[in-house]
Amino acid sequence: AAGVIQSPRHLIKEKRETATLKCYPIPRHDTVYWYQQGPGQDPQFLISFYEKMQSDKGSIPDRFSAQQFSDYHSELNMSSLELGDSALYFCASSSLAGGQNEQYFGPGTRLTVT
Amino acid sequence: GEDVEQSLFLSVREGDSSVINCTYTDSSSTYLYWYKQEPGAGLQLLTYIFSNMDMKQDQRLTVLLNKKDKHLSLRIADTQTGDSAIYFCAERYGNKLVFGAGTILRVKS
Repeated sequence: AAGVIQSPRHLIKEKRETATLKCYPIPRHDTVYWYQQGPGQDPQFLISFYEKMQSDKGSIPDRFSAQQFSDYHSELNMSSLELGDSALYFCASSSLAGGQNEQYFGPGTRLTVT
Repeated sequence: GEDVEQSLFLSVREGDSSVINCTYTDSSSTYLYWYKQEPGAGLQLLTYIFSNMDMKQDQRLTVLLNKKDKHLSLRIADTQTGDSAIYFCAERYGNKLVFGAGTILRVKS
């Protein structure tokens, strides 16, 4: 079965640079979620979108923005990168038809800021 | 508040049962999840339960829910070395999931 696709899988950036992470949800899933997992930590919710509209917002820095496109893929844009932004970024998807009960996670993008 | 707590480490022998525990705080109806994360990998959804249920079984996995104590457990029968991973308990708040710190399960052969 198709899973959530994230690209790139690994990304190395320098401080103050920008980064764009992409997420392609499972086909027919209409909701995407972004989570950040720091080293040795649990995933923290950043933001979610349903039908291209922001549906919930967590601890996402103002330097980050995200959007969902008409084909349901989502992009997380990160500017003025800091060393502390180094983490694993997960995208997850679910469907309203499924009651949003099952969030399936992608393999993650490992961002390293040097 | 949003708080999910787990024991940090569990070591078992291959073939034994593993029981991973979790406590949560939300008293309203919600969904509770178990995810598995292998080193450097993503989060794999193992199973989930609605808070009005007491138990759910799926092959080697059994989820028990004590609503009064807000206690959730995941039992893995006949634990194998491939079960070694970090197990996260999560509670659903609206759209988002709030995770516990994760329990490292180590299976000794």
